[in-house]
Amino acid sequence: DAGVIQSPRHEVTEMGQEVTLRCKPISGHNSLFWYRQTMMRGLELLIYFNNNVPIDDSGMPEDRFSAKMPNASFSTLKIQPSEPRDSAVYFCASSLSAEAFFGQGTRLTVV
Amino acid sequence: AQSVTQPDIHITVSEGASLELRCNYSYGATPYLFWYVQSPGQGLQLLLKYFSGDTLVQGIKGFEAEFKRSQSSFNLRKPSVHWSDAAEYFCAVVNDNTDKLIFGTGTRLQVFP
Repeated sequence: DAGVIQSPRHEVTEMGQEVTLRCKPISGHNSLFWYRQTMMRGLELLIYFNNNVPIDDSGMPEDRFSAKMPNASFSTLKIQPSEPRDSAVYFCASSLSAEAFFGQGTRLTVV
Repeated sequence: AQSVTQPDIHITVSEGASLELRCNYSYGATPYLFWYVQSPGQGLQLLLKYFSGDTLVQGIKGFEAEFKRSQSSFNLRKPSVHWSDAAEYFCAVVNDNTDKLIFGTGTRLQVFP
């Protein structure tokens, strides 16, 4: 398996634009997580899905953030409108039986 | 709610020296515990995990960790550090009622030649 695949690896966008981050989990994994990593706040869990259903989205910072998992092999994290304080590295991870595997991350810069 | 504390933000060791990174968790039942490593610009890689059984677990790259219930700790150790071990290390816990994985704040390891 190629592991968890995230795209794009880097994204630079202007404030106010919509940003969509994509994730393909490892085949057969039943949980998917979105994390945000910044120097100030470390690794924050934004949302996680189990069997494609959102279980806990308490970490989503505000309504500008939304996440979907339309099927077992794809998930998106959308920010609309984006703001400079959203600049961070966003990681997707998938797991089976609690052991999580991470993608390489998407480095988002909002200018 | 469960939480993970890594008291050391930054540790510096000489190459060849032994290493211990501290991790304390707060959780009522027996947790699932993990150590991950993150090299600059990379994602997180699983070093080792503890679910149950033997409290001393072996991981990749020569690392080991010991689960001590009495101290609520899961410290990571390596007998002899290599320069390539310089990275950020994260301890994490999972609630066995869900798959929610919670991370500590990380410990940055610097290795001097």
